[in-house]
Amino acid sequence: GAGVSQSPRYKVAKRGQDVALRCDPISGHVSLFWYQQALGQGPEFLTYFQNEAQLDKSGLPSDRFFAERPEGSVSTLKIQRTQQEDSAVYLCASSLAGTGGLVNEKLFFGSGTQLSVL
Amino acid sequence: DQQVKQNSPSLSVQEGRISILNCDYTNSMFDYFLWYKKYPAEGPTFLISISSIKDKNEDGRFTVFLNKSAKHLSLHIVPSQPGDSAVYFCAASDLGNQFYFGTGTSLTVIP
Repeated sequence: GAGVSQSPRYKVAKRGQDVALRCDPISGHVSLFWYQQALGQGPEFLTYFQNEAQLDKSGLPSDRFFAERPEGSVSTLKIQRTQQEDSAVYLCASSLAGTGGLVNEKLFFGSGTQLSVL
Repeated sequence: DQQVKQNSPSLSVQEGRISILNCDYTNSMFDYFLWYKKYPAEGPTFLISISSIKDKNEDGRFTVFLNKSAKHLSLHIVPSQPGDSAVYFCAASDLGNQFYFGTGTSLTVIP
């Protein structure tokens, strides 16, 4: 497809369960971002990839969160031993920029994965 | 600490009138700003941007104004249409690898 695709659209997990969220960025986009959006809040940065390299993971809230993009296209965000506070919409975004820095760049977002941890 | 703030959670405007959405930021290193629009159950979509070398950027019915000394930007929509009803997010970048988002303003345009 032409846009950023995320799956699953909805995920319900029991507390303690591991989950994996998938993102297919726009073809040819070098940069890929993961954001977490809690209810009533704006998106908050989790991590950033340039091709397969994870250049910034400063936003990951704990070591239970892990992201990868092994071939520089599809990315997976994994959350181990989910907790109720992990409940949020997880947004993936991609951009064409490949040299770092975001001036004159814009992010293209997927529709997100809504994670509910019971 | 919220570096980008949208202090109005909601705004209602009559169709045909002007909508003004406001955004304040605290980090003087921010030099690129964007507005995103979000419909329910969809991801945010890019609306308009402005770099710090400008104080105004216009695209059709949408104009973004930047006041660097006040660390304030605003989005003007003229004339407002019912299809503009959505949540609007302000975002800022400091040339690093992150965009910082505000908490959003929900705009309702009343027919």
